[in-house]
Amino acid sequence: NAGVTQTPKFQVLKTGQSMTLQCAQDMNHNSMYWYRQDPGMGLRLIYYSASEGTTDKGEVPNGYNVSRLNKREFSLRLESAAPSQTSVYFCASSTGHGANYGYTFGSGTRLTVV
Amino acid sequence: EDKVVQSPLSLVVHEGDTVTLNCSYEVTNFRSLLWYKQEKKAPTFLFMLTSSGIEKKSGRLSSILDKKELSSILNITATQTGDSAIYLCAVVSNSGYALNFGKGTSLLVTP
Repeated sequence: NAGVTQTPKFQVLKTGQSMTLQCAQDMNHNSMYWYRQDPGMGLRLIYYSASEGTTDKGEVPNGYNVSRLNKREFSLRLESAAPSQTSVYFCASSTGHGANYGYTFGSGTRLTVV
Repeated sequence: EDKVVQSPLSLVVHEGDTVTLNCSYEVTNFRSLLWYKQEKKAPTFLFMLTSSGIEKKSGRLSSILDKKELSSILNITATQTGDSAIYLCAVVSNSGYALNFGKGTSLLVTP
């Protein structure tokens, strides 16, 4: 029972480098999300995909792009990393019904931009 | 713009104390409010409160939704050191299922 799998778990980037955070879920969930968490800030929504083929901006989308590759996979790309993007990134998916709307979080990616 | 405000931001108590954490919200077309516990990893779900379920209880934890005051409280009785964590409140609107989180309350329970 893998749930939501994020890769990598840790990453250090230099300013200006690019990278893609990968997320895959095996629960047949329609909706997927990317959040970032900074100390004392809770989780802030970057982008979400309500269903396959759609993506929408969240609260803090600047500097990021996303791709909903198929129903299982939702990737987050940093085209030119900046120190302000140092954070812990969580991917999540949900069914939209039931307790907790079926929300399942990945284990997180700790990204440091130097 | 939707807003979720938690208070206090941090709290230190002794084992055995009872604590009350607060969450207030301003959300267009409110659907539900959720509480999570986070311990150095992904958030763990505690409760979901909706119009049809405004009070939930699980062991020493309980939560109440006050739709008139647009707020919720999370109570923890007889606290233990294992309750030390960040407690997150999130709301969901009828426009979708994205969680809109507050900044969290950092709780430290000392022996």
